[in-house]
Amino acid sequence: DAGVTQTPRHEVAEKGQTIILKCEPVSGHNDLFWYRQTKIQGLELLSYFRSKSLMEDGGAFKDRFKAEMLNSSFSTLKIQPTEPKDSAVYLCASSTGGASAETLYFGSGTRLTVL
Amino acid sequence: QQKVQQSPESLIVPEGGMASLNCTSSDRNVDYFWWYRQHSGKSPKMLMSIFSNGEKEEGRFTVHLNKASLHTSLHIRDSQPSDSALYLCAASITSGSWQLIFGSGTQLTVMP
Repeated sequence: DAGVTQTPRHEVAEKGQTIILKCEPVSGHNDLFWYRQTKIQGLELLSYFRSKSLMEDGGAFKDRFKAEMLNSSFSTLKIQPTEPKDSAVYLCASSTGGASAETLYFGSGTRLTVL
Repeated sequence: QQKVQQSPESLIVPEGGMASLNCTSSDRNVDYFWWYRQHSGKSPKMLMSIFSNGEKEEGRFTVHLNKASLHTSLHIRDSQPSDSALYLCAASITSGSWQLIFGSGTQLTVMP
C-alpha cells in the first residue's frame, strides 16, 4: 500500500507569491492533517479534516493559509501571500480516524523556502 | 504556554546507556499519549502509544504513564547510535473539539 504522498519535495518562492502544496493520504484513511515544522516552534497544526470536513483551521494560521480536501484522496494547502517566516517543512499526515486513539502516518514533507 | 512540554530539549548518552525522556501536558482533557521518532531528514513515525496508567514495554523501549499528573516518559535501554533522532510526544486532547498536539521534542544523540 502506498503511504502518504506529498508534492513537491522542495519549493522556493519569492515573498508575496502564492504556493500550493499537495497531499495524497493513505487509501482508506478518513482523517488528514497538515502540520508545519520548524526547529523553534516544533510541529504546529495548520488544519485537520475528518471525512473531508474541516474540523480545525489552525487559529493563528487562518489569514494566509487555506487547506482544502477536494475528495477523500487529495488535499491542498495554499499559502497566499507567502512571507519569509513561512519557510519551514510542511508535513501532511493521515489516519484511519474513528475514535481519538489513532496513529498518524506522515508524508515525507515539503521543504518551503521563501526568499 | 505550550499544551505539551518535553524535557530535556537535548540529551546525549553513551552507546549502551539508558536514555530517559519526559513529557507533560498542561491540559486536563488529555485522553492519550503517543511517542513518535523522527530521524534526521525523515518524517515522524509512531514509536509507542500508551492509553492506561502504568508501563508498557516493547523490546528496548519502555513507556510510563501517570494520568493523574498527565506525565509520560520514554526510556530506552542499551541505547544504540541508530536511536539518535528527535523524539516527539503527542497528546490527544478532547475539549469541545478534538486535537492532537505535539511537543517540541527531545533531540537524542547516542555516542559510539
